[in-house]
Amino acid sequence: DAKTTQPPSMDCAEGRAANLPCNHSTISGNEYVYWYRQIHSQGPQYIIHGLKNNETNEMASLIITEDRKSSTLILPHATLRDTAVYYCIVTPGGTSYGKLTFGQGTILTVHP
Amino acid sequence: DGGITQSPKYLFRKEGQNVTLSCEQNLNHDAMYWYRQDPGQGLRLIYYSQIVNDFQKGDIAEGYSVSREKKESFPLTVTSAQKNPTAFYLCASSPSGAGELFFGEGSRLTVL
Repeated sequence: DAKTTQPPSMDCAEGRAANLPCNHSTISGNEYVYWYRQIHSQGPQYIIHGLKNNETNEMASLIITEDRKSSTLILPHATLRDTAVYYCIVTPGGTSYGKLTFGQGTILTVHP
Repeated sequence: DGGITQSPKYLFRKEGQNVTLSCEQNLNHDAMYWYRQDPGQGLRLIYYSQIVNDFQKGDIAEGYSVSREKKESFPLTVTSAQKNPTAFYLCASSPSGAGELFFGEGSRLTVL
C-alpha cells in the first residue's frame, strides 16, 4: 500500500469547513483513497473513498488532485461531534480484502 | 439493525490466561478482520478471513489464534504466548474485496 502523510493535529471552529489534507505521492494507478474517522474509544467509521474523481456524500467531500498525489477531506460545516482522529488510507480496490494500513491520522478538534 | 457486535466491552485477566473475544456480524459479509490498537497509535492487523473455514495471518499474528466456522462469527483468542496483550481490540467486516470496513465498538483487554 502507498504510504500517506497527514498533519498530526488540526483545529476548526464549529460551523466552519474543516479541510483535512493527505499526501500520497507514491500512489499507484489502481489504488483508492479511503477516509475513516475514529471517535475516542470507538471503532473507526468509514467516511468516503475515491479513485480519480471528486466524491461527495452526506458526511463529507473528497477532493483528489489531478496527479492523484494528494487529497483533501472536507467536512463542510464542522460540529463538536466531528472531533475525532481522521485516517487517510490508500489501498488497491478489489484485491485488498480490507487489509487497510491505519497510520496515526490527524486529530481534528472542533471548538465552540 | 445490521451491524457488528463485540463482547465483552471490557475484560480483565491475569497474566498467563488465555482469553477469547467474541465478534458477530449480521451484515452477510464474507470477510472479517481483527485489529489491535495501542494508546495513541493506529490500527494493526492481526488476522483476517475472506471466507468460512479460511483465515490468514496479518502483520502481528504471533500469540493470537482465530477460527471461522460460521460466516457470522470470527472469535479471537489471545493466548498466553502474546507478550503484551493489554490493548484495544477491534473487529471489522466487509463485503468481499472491498475497502469499506464496518467496525464493532471494540473490546478493551487489560492483563493484570
